[in-house]
Amino acid sequence: GAVVSQHPSWVICKSGTSVKIECRSLDFQATTMFWYRQFPKQSLMLMATSNEGSKATYEQGVEKDKFLINHASLTLSTLTVTSAHPEDSSFYICSAGRQGYEQYFGPGTRLTVT
Amino acid sequence: DAKTTQPNSMESNEEEPVHLPCNHSTISGTDYIHWYRQLPSQGPEYVIHGLTSNVNNRMASLAIAEDRKSSTLILHRATLRDAAVYYCILRDPGTYKYIFGTGTRLKVLA
Repeated sequence: GAVVSQHPSWVICKSGTSVKIECRSLDFQATTMFWYRQFPKQSLMLMATSNEGSKATYEQGVEKDKFLINHASLTLSTLTVTSAHPEDSSFYICSAGRQGYEQYFGPGTRLTVT
Repeated sequence: DAKTTQPNSMESNEEEPVHLPCNHSTISGTDYIHWYRQLPSQGPEYVIHGLTSNVNNRMASLAIAEDRKSSTLILHRATLRDAAVYYCILRDPGTYKYIFGTGTRLKVLA
């Protein structure tokens, strides 16, 4: 149990375009989902916390107008990278959790902006 | 947010036990201690968690110091598949956020 999926697993886009990444909890309802970014050889950095039906809470230094997060249901959250640039190329990982329980992570989405 | 400190890397021989330490001297009374591991190009995988008492599961054991300022993840018999980066994380009890530290890269020698 506790499976989290992400789609797509990898994406290449041109500079200036927008990319949407989906995160789904497949066998449980997630009251909270989190989005992380990871650069090569570095640790995961929390970008934002997403609660179903409410606005996401962004970590300091993360541009909320650039990284749009929508948590429309208890099983789906999306991250849209708007006007992507090469410096946004990274490994994006989501996690899903229920109150009082541990988080379960998705397999990640590798974004390359050319 | 309470932080954790781990050694950057460790090595172990296959089939031998591995003790991965973590310091969390600023831990609060309600912070849970979580351990995850990450293989290259994959999302982190849950290993174990605990609050005060030592914990065991099929993957590992977690030993928590009496003052809770440190903990140790114990892999009883390391295999080549256990080679990964291991993260010790304190979960914020109010927001449920995880703040990842640098982790320990475990290398298992055949």
